[in-house]
Amino acid sequence: GQNIDQPTEMTATEGAIVQINCTYQTSGFNGLFWYQQHAGEAPTFLSYNVLDGLEEKGRFSSFLSRSKGYSYLLLKELQMKDSASYLCAVMDSNYQLIWGAGTKLIIKP
Amino acid sequence: GAVVSQHPSRVICKSGTSVKIECRSLDFQATTMFWYRQFPKQSLMLMATSNEGSKATYEQGVEKDKFLINHASLTLSTLTVTSAHPEDSSFYICSARDPGLNTEAFFGQGTRLTVV
Repeated sequence: GQNIDQPTEMTATEGAIVQINCTYQTSGFNGLFWYQQHAGEAPTFLSYNVLDGLEEKGRFSSFLSRSKGYSYLLLKELQMKDSASYLCAVMDSNYQLIWGAGTKLIIKP
Repeated sequence: GAVVSQHPSRVICKSGTSVKIECRSLDFQATTMFWYRQFPKQSLMLMATSNEGSKATYEQGVEKDKFLINHASLTLSTLTVTSAHPEDSSFYICSARDPGLNTEAFFGQGTRLTVV
């Protein structure tokens, strides 16, 4: 079966750095996505990785290792507005998105 | 990025009535749209894949006679919740991908359905 694993909840301090991990087992691989979802709102796109390595975009970076079936989302200089759920999703060989359950990130002052 | 518009954003209906939710791709033609349901503190659950001009493909456990999907044009898909019950209360979200890109999914704003 297809499976995406990510921690249920994480807590971090404003101004700090946090890394949210995602491991996956899917039927084929056509890229991995990270989305941010605030409570009561639709997900918004953060990043897309299809090749191994680190993609940096401002305060957010995303890393992928296809051989390990592993990705992480790194958030730097945390702000209170970063409190949200972060969803990892993998596009399989049929170009369908397989979603993780999401990681709720709580930022404390 | 591309824009997907979903309407209404909130709806309250009585048990036994039907509710229609619209999902439009505003600046691209979406041959395929996806309908998700999300219960509080849970992840997105794919309900069905809507294909323009053909029948939708439903995920296991989703009643196709209860959740009617119509994808009559390349820019519009509708989800109708028929004979709604309180347990159908949830957050419904549609998404679409630009068929030329095979990359990110663009989401509608979501619809908060409350059945009383």
